[in-house]
Formats: sequence, C-alpha cells, structure tokens
Amino acid sequence: NAGVMQNPRHLVRRRGQEARLRCSPMKGHSHVYWYRQLPEEGLKFMVYLQKENIIDESGMPKERFSAEFPKEGPSILRIQQVVRGDSAAYFCASSPTHNSNQPQHFGDGTRLSIL
Amino acid sequence: ILNVEQSPQSLHVQEGDSTNFTCSFPSSNFYALHWYRWETAKSPEALFVMTLNGDEKKKGRISATLNTKEGYSYLYIKGSQPEDSATYLCAQHPNNLFFGTGTRLTVIP
Repeated sequence: NAGVMQNPRHLVRRRGQEARLRCSPMKGHSHVYWYRQLPEEGLKFMVYLQKENIIDESGMPKERFSAEFPKEGPSILRIQQVVRGDSAAYFCASSPTHNSNQPQHFGDGTRLSIL
Repeated sequence: ILNVEQSPQSLHVQEGDSTNFTCSFPSSNFYALHWYRWETAKSPEALFVMTLNGDEKKKGRISATLNTKEGYSYLYIKGSQPEDSATYLCAQHPNNLFFGTGTRLTVIP
C-alpha cells in the first residue's frame, strides 16, 4: 500500500520562475493538507483540500500561491514568480476523513531552493 | 492560530537512559493532541492521537500521557536507543495540524 507520494524531492528554481509541487495521497484518502517548513522554523499549515474543493486556505500566502486537487490526478501546489523567501521544505499529508482523531500520513516532502 | 509549545528544544541522552519531554497547549479549548516522530530526511510518522483527559498510550518503549485541564502532554521513552534519535513533534488538530517546533532527541551510543 503506497504511502503519500510527493515529487519532485528536490526542485531548484530561479527567481521569477514558477514552481509546481505534486502530491498523490494514499489510496482511499480524499483529504489533502499542505504544510511548509521554512529554514529554522517548524511545520506550518498552508491549505486543506478535498477532491475538487479548497476547504481551508487560511495558511496560504495571499499572492503567488495556489493549490488544487482535481478529480483525477495529484494535488498541485503552485508558486508563481518565486522569490528567495519561498525556499523551504513543502510537505503534503493525507487522511481518509477530516476527523481530528485521525492521524495524517505525510509524504517525504519537496525541498524547494530558489537561486 | 493555536500556541503549541514544546520543551526542551533539544536533548542529548546516553543509550539506555530514559527520557521525557513536554508539549504545552491552551487548556481553554482542547482539540485532539497528536504526536509525530520525524527522522532526518524522512516524513513525519504518526505515533499517537490523544483525545481524552487522562489518556495514556503506549507503543513499544514510547508512551504518552495527556492532561487537558492543565494543558500538557508528556512523551516518555524508556531505555533510549540510537534509532530513537529524531525530532518529536506534537500538534493540536482543530481543523488541521498546528505543530510545536519539536524536541530534537539525540541518543549517544
């Protein structure tokens, strides 16, 4: 039973380019969460999606960041016109329900470096 | 935003020693308390989900307790081994996970 798959593991972009991070949840999981770990900081919630819907994007920067979870295919976190401050590790997690008693299952993350 | 704090920030123990660390959270509004273990270059791995005051959970040499009235949870590791070296995260889960900054444990052989 494959776990949460994130790709790429490492992504290097120049300032101004776009970054696309992909996350395939565990089989049977329809709830996806994105978290970011900035250097020297802890994991911070960004956005919670259910198939085709953004449920909570309260942790997402207002500009340049967007997320989707289409009916078919992986969830995508998209960062437009990247800046140095976007350099971070981005983690995706999934769960079968949104019950707070349910643990979330994490992927290995995408390390984004901005030159 | 929930204020979840963990202490100590880092800890070095000798192999075989037992150890414990703390997760503090606001007692006024309690949500499920999650513990995760996070090894370097790997993904966070769920250890426990605790929901009731007085809960105690155990997995092998690792156990956790919960006090929702005073707003803390303890994680205990008995007879630490080098493979226990990791960052231990706790989080509150109202609608998503609000993490503390973690306790980084290093077990010295």
